[in-house]
Amino acid sequence: DTGVSQDPRHKITKRGQNVTFRCDPISEHNRLYWYRQTLGQGPEFLTYFQNEAQLEKSRLLSDRFSAERPKGSFSTLEIQRTEQGDSAMYLCASSPRAWGSKNIQYFGAGTRLSVL
Amino acid sequence: DQQVKQNSPSLSVQEGRISILNCDYTNSMFDYFLWYKKYPAEGPTFLISISSIKDKNEDGRFTVFLNKSAKHLSLHIVPSQPGDSAVYFCAATPLRGNTPLVFGKGTRLSVIA
Repeated sequence: DTGVSQDPRHKITKRGQNVTFRCDPISEHNRLYWYRQTLGQGPEFLTYFQNEAQLEKSRLLSDRFSAERPKGSFSTLEIQRTEQGDSAMYLCASSPRAWGSKNIQYFGAGTRLSVL
Repeated sequence: DQQVKQNSPSLSVQEGRISILNCDYTNSMFDYFLWYKKYPAEGPTFLISISSIKDKNEDGRFTVFLNKSAKHLSLHIVPSQPGDSAVYFCAATPLRGNTPLVFGKGTRLSVIA
């Protein structure tokens, strides 16, 4: 059983460029979450999916951010016109079916974004 | 407005002794609580959880205690080992609905040999 996989692990970009991250959840997990973590803080929720449906977006998710999960499997998070304040660790997590399950989210290793 | 608070940024404990990490929450809707451990350059790893219908859950060296009236939980590690050195995050969520987790800022535990 493979865990949650994120790609790339590190991304360095110049301000104003677009970046895209990918997350492959644990197979058969129907919920997929994106979080962002900055230095000295805990992970902060960005958005999550149940299968291909995006159920909730945080107010942290500005219009420059978009996430998709087109076939209910992997997900992508795109940031357009990156700003230095977008520099952070972007974490993906997945959890099994909601009904009758404990809400244990399993995290990937994250993508560290540095905006120069 | 921080709904989950870990007021101790760091904790240092001798090997073999007990480590106690604390967490407070403010949202009465929270009824499921989790602890995650994080090593550098890795994602958070699930450690142990507790539902609000219990006041204690134990798994090996790790025990979580929940005091609902005080909106307080704690993680006990006995005995502490050098490999336990990591950042520990407390997280909370309403159990029903499988909603996103709300995390504290974390406590860095250092276990000294």
